[in-house]
Amino acid sequence: GQQLNQSPQSMFIQEGEDVSMNCTSSSIFNTWLWYKQDPGEGPVLLIALYKAGELTSNGRLTAQFGITRKDSFLNISASIPSDVGIYFCAGQDAYSGGGADGLTFGKGTHLIIQP
Amino acid sequence: DARVTQTPRHKVTEMGQEVTMRCQPILGHNTVFWYRQTMMQGLELLAYFRNRAPLDDSGMPKDRFSAEMPDATLATLKIQPSEPRDSAVYFCASGTQGSGETQYFGPGTRLLVL
Repeated sequence: GQQLNQSPQSMFIQEGEDVSMNCTSSSIFNTWLWYKQDPGEGPVLLIALYKAGELTSNGRLTAQFGITRKDSFLNISASIPSDVGIYFCAGQDAYSGGGADGLTFGKGTHLIIQP
Repeated sequence: DARVTQTPRHKVTEMGQEVTMRCQPILGHNTVFWYRQTMMQGLELLAYFRNRAPLDDSGMPKDRFSAEMPDATLATLKIQPSEPRDSAVYFCASGTQGSGETQYFGPGTRLLVL
């Protein structure tokens, strides 16, 4: 099945720094989603992307759907302590047909902000 | 504030016991997903339903896992008999067909099988 490679696995940054993470897939996706998971909670949707080349912002977060449809990135500007958590990319394979509507998730990027 | 609810939030049980996890999807959502999250495997899709009909359960160990939707407001995931390797966080998510597969997750059930 499709695979998602998410990098980096973890990031140690200073408050106020910008953050960038990305995901690449082995196949073409028609949907890219970015989630954040806080400890003890379920993933919360941050940004949804539906078209190649689409660039979408949500406050300090910006995500883009790659032109090749095989990658996406998420940027966080001016990080603050509450940005700490695990960020997941997720996508739906463009050739899933009538079968798997479920998402394929990356392994996550652990964001740690140092005081 | 509509959200997916899951019960129980935590479950500790002994190997061989039956475990039942419940999920109430967001009202109006017609698609329900079950995921399992572990440190090693990350988030894995187990099964999903649309309009209460099971569409895909290929990610689920068939011999011990079963998923059902008795009605539109309740989805269940059952493990019988449970094994230590089933220890994980189980998430339910719901969405609507045609929404670009945007899914909204519940808080999860943390299962520990001793």
